[in-house]
Amino acid sequence: DAEITQSPRHKITETGRQVTLACHQTWNHNNMFWYRQDLGHGLRLIHYSYGVQDTNKGEVSDGYSVSRSNTEDLPLTLESAASSQTSVYFCASRERLESGELFFGEGSRLTVL
Amino acid sequence: GQNIDQPTEMTATEGAIVQINCTYQTSGFNGLFWYQQHAGEAPTFLSYNVLDGLEEKGRFSSFLSRSKGYSYLLLKELQMKDSASYLCAVVDSNYQLIWGAGTKLIIKP
Repeated sequence: DAEITQSPRHKITETGRQVTLACHQTWNHNNMFWYRQDLGHGLRLIHYSYGVQDTNKGEVSDGYSVSRSNTEDLPLTLESAASSQTSVYFCASRERLESGELFFGEGSRLTVL
Repeated sequence: GQNIDQPTEMTATEGAIVQINCTYQTSGFNGLFWYQQHAGEAPTFLSYNVLDGLEEKGRFSSFLSRSKGYSYLLLKELQMKDSASYLCAVVDSNYQLIWGAGTKLIIKP
């Protein structure tokens, strides 16, 4: 079965360190997204990609970057982690932008101390 | 700006019916999704509406009125496993999903 996986599932790091969260999907979807989820907020879009070598900023992209070297992977990098980036991060993919269901990974819980 | 409103929390009794409302103001409209999210888990797809009216899927139904900027999710014959958060998301003119903060549904025996 096709799936979307994230790693690590849990991560504790210190302020200022670089952190990379991995996302791998076997749906062969061109469209991939990174969201963060915080209490009291809806899912907020960090970065997204519509295909290989394509990356775009979402509404909360400051302090984050992504790269898309192949269809399957969209790693999210926190260049210098800050306590405000403590959150649960979800990777997701869609086949079609017009009406396609969004499939989510299991989530990565990041704590920045 | 873009805005999705849902009640923060609702409580219902096992076996009963509950309606979770979602109102939206977005730049464009290309459909509305409902997702279920159990605590500590990823959201999972429940329904998608793009035309006005009611879509029924087993115990769950979703309604859309585009002219009113309004949708609801109706859950019948509530079970304890329905205790979860329910997320409303609108697809805007750029085909991005704009998410509400979610409604936490508590089911009591």
